[in-house]
Amino acid sequence: QLLLQESGPGLVRSSETLSLTCSVFGGSISKTTFYWGWIRQPPGKGLEWIGSIYFSGSVYHNPSLNSRVTISVDTSKNQFSLKVRSVTASDTAVYYCARQGYYGYDVFDPWGQGTLVTVSS
Amino acid sequence: EIVMTQSPATLSVSPGERVTLSCRASQNIRNGLAWYQQKPGQAPRLLIYGASTRATGIPVRFSGSGSGTEFTLTISSLQSEDFAVYYCQQYNNWPPITFGQGTRLDIK
Repeated sequence: QLLLQESGPGLVRSSETLSLTCSVFGGSISKTTFYWGWIRQPPGKGLEWIGSIYFSGSVYHNPSLNSRVTISVDTSKNQFSLKVRSVTASDTAVYYCARQGYYGYDVFDPWGQGTLVTVSS
Repeated sequence: EIVMTQSPATLSVSPGERVTLSCRASQNIRNGLAWYQQKPGQAPRLLIYGASTRATGIPVRFSGSGSGTEFTLTISSLQSEDFAVYYCQQYNNWPPITFGQGTRLDIK
């Protein structure tokens, strides 16, 4: 059974960089049929796709984040990572990682349990 | 960017009732639509993909339909564990992948 687990600081100061890692257990991140995605959810609000990465390093980002985002992959550690620069209070959210490509469709399954990141001033 | 609009925002229903949730896309997305269920404090759970195909382990009371710009998720007989927030997601034309704002199912 594939499991994903997010890790990283739960508190980030405004204007600094948010950094999270997603560790993948029970399967290889290098499997060719999947992307690996980041999605976030501000408290009490809906879901926002941040971006997705292929094991080769090919990345797609959400343009709404204005190029503040870097997504990278480390196949040797079976992990992928997210950095969001110049954070503000609006970046406060639960951040999820997920596998994208269920049965060849660009949907997310499974998801990590999520990690709350709070941006403080 | 394709905008996904869900309606209603909140629906109050009784256990055992049949309920239909709607999702509209701002452009034709063919059948590139998924539905997720999210309970408080949990990650979303994939229910439906390809507009109408149930994911592994999803009960048959969940069904999806539609194509193009209009989609529905139907729960044939609501169980207590179905009270949650439901999101639609389009993946026909990405990036970006986009989600609807969600429909909350409350117990009447």
